Order: sequence, then structure tokens, then C-alpha cells
Amino acid sequence: EVQLVQSGAEVKKPGESLKISCKGSGYSFTSYWIGWVRQMPGKGLEWMGIIYPGDSDTRYSPSFQGQVTISADKSISTAYLQWSSLKASDTAMYYCARLGSYPSGYFDYWGQGTLVTVSS
Amino acid sequence: SYVLTQPPSVSVAPGKTARITCGGNNIGSKSVHWYQQKPGQAPVLVIYYDSDRPSGIPERFSGSNSGNTATLTISRVEAGDEADYYCQVWDSSSDHQVFGGGTKLTVL
Repeated sequence: EVQLVQSGAEVKKPGESLKISCKGSGYSFTSYWIGWVRQMPGKGLEWMGIIYPGDSDTRYSPSFQGQVTISADKSISTAYLQWSSLKASDTAMYYCARLGSYPSGYFDYWGQGTLVTVSS
Repeated sequence: SYVLTQPPSVSVAPGKTARITCGGNNIGSKSVHWYQQKPGQAPVLVIYYDSDRPSGIPERFSGSNSGNTATLTISRVEAGDEADYYCQVWDSSSDHQVFGGGTKLTVL
């Protein structure tokens, strides 16, 4: 069974750093792209970027380029999304999802989401 | 960048047919995927490659794509179909994935 399990909810202060994770199981982790999707409170889905764990090839949405870093450790089948300096506007639910086929593919499996709250 | 336009809301009575549109420049030349998201839950893929259904998705869900509009059709709508629905494509010019703004389906 394919599963993506994300790390737990986080409460941080502005300016702090954060790294959240997404662990894949039940499939060949290095053979599928993993994407990150932001959902701000009461808003829609926003594509942030994707990574190919096999070689760490990464693509970013222009809206998130330079604001976050996407990485992966294939030895432990885990993808990451990190911030060096959080802002209140980073408060959102973040989902990881597997891209079923690249590039024109669909996100066929999703993590349960990680809620990030940034507040002073 | 490529823009996908969805109506913010669609309302339908139980047992009727709901149609949710996703507009984009020449979207008929792209592969369109649809997701259902219920409150407090992660999105779920309901249609991929314009009209294919993943296993476990009822046949009541179907999709089409032509010209500048893709459509998700839900036949014999049930109360449990009430959710937000999002379309998604890959924009080849930027090599980026794009989501539509989402449509809230209300079952009257």
C-alpha cells in the first residue's frame, strides 16, 4: 500500500527556521516525483514545487522560488520542505503528494498534511 | 504563467447532475486532472488524464476536455459529494504544475 506520512503540526515564531518531512512507503521512492502543495486557511491549493528523489532534480513555482527549499533523502525515503526564516504569512496546511507520471501527470497519493502556524 | 479559471461555487439538488468547469487557453491540448477535497481532509484524485477514473471512484464521476474548457460531471449527485473540487494541469512552457482556484459544490 502506497503511503505518504507527514510530520506533525508545528507552531513557530516569525524569523524561526523549520523543516517538515514526508516519508514514502509501499513503492519505489526514487522512481516518482514528490510535490509540495500549500493551502492557506480557507483558500485553494497552490503548487510549490516538486523533487525527483532519484537524483534530487527540483522545480519551484516562481511564487515560492527563494522562499523555501525542497530536498530529499532517498536513503530513508523522505522528502523535505524547509524555511530559513518564517513569516506569519507562511501559516498554512502543507501537503506532499506523489506525481503519478511526469511531467503531465496527476498527484495520485497525498500525505495527511502538516499544519504550520507562525505567530508571535 | 498558465491560468486555470473555475467558478467559485456550484449548487445542485440531490439526484441531479453537477457540472464544474475549468477554463484555460487551449486547455483541450493539455491533460486535465481533478481532485475532491472535503473539509479537514487531504485532496483525493477523482479524474485523471481528462476522463479516466482511479479505482474506487464511482462511475458517477466523469470528465471531458475540449477547446478552452474542461468539465467535471457528477451524475446523480449525493449529499456526500459536497466538497471543493480542483482542476490541475502541467504547463509545458514553464514546466510547472498549475491548480485552478477551486469550486465549492453545494448539494441543496
